[in-house]
Amino acid sequence: RKEVEQDPGPFNVPEGATVAFNCTYSNSASQSFFWYRQDCRKEPKLLMSVYSSGNEDGRFTAQLNRASQYISLLIRDSKLSDSATYLCVVNGTGTASKLTFGTGTRLQVTL
Amino acid sequence: NAGVMQNPRHLVRRRGQEARLRCSPMKGHSHVYWYRQLPEEGLKFMVYLQKENIIDESGMPKERFSAEFPKEGPSILRIQQVVRGDSAAYFCASSPQKKRYTEAFFGQGTRLTVV
Repeated sequence: RKEVEQDPGPFNVPEGATVAFNCTYSNSASQSFFWYRQDCRKEPKLLMSVYSSGNEDGRFTAQLNRASQYISLLIRDSKLSDSATYLCVVNGTGTASKLTFGTGTRLQVTL
Repeated sequence: NAGVMQNPRHLVRRRGQEARLRCSPMKGHSHVYWYRQLPEEGLKFMVYLQKENIIDESGMPKERFSAEFPKEGPSILRIQQVVRGDSAAYFCASSPQKKRYTEAFFGQGTRLTVV
């Protein structure tokens, strides 16, 4: 089983739609969780951290379910500029932890 | 406050040559990660370093690849005797002293092409 699993997509949605991405992780001791965004041939950029209580930033909402080892990202009112690959990222535990990336979910928002 | 700086941005090497990729972390960051991304694939962890220490190199190929993060100067990822399969984007990320919710910030990457 992969450490971090995501549906690769692509998700093709019209402008204004709501879209949700899911991610599962295998290490139950993982401590912190993030969503990154990567545009074509660019570096990944932090979109938002994911907290147990859930968190919202404008049109973006992230949720964490520790019991199910599941993370989600909801994008409301999709814009053309939201087209990108969304990466689920998990940070491990202990001094030797590292960020582990899912392979990403591609989103294409169309007119 | 400059972000993570990687150089060169693009590097072309012939098979058998050496490639040296440099990464200067953000100011105040003492942790550096190297990732490799093959075309149309996800980011693969290679190595995690702190100043003068390799913490986790579980993603590093056993041969030809090495990494360092000296007390002074940038982190270096070195690939000896490059082969065509080494062609990829190599991203460096840095993070501050370890704390609970530490995210990492990425440089723009070095695109290595082996011809």
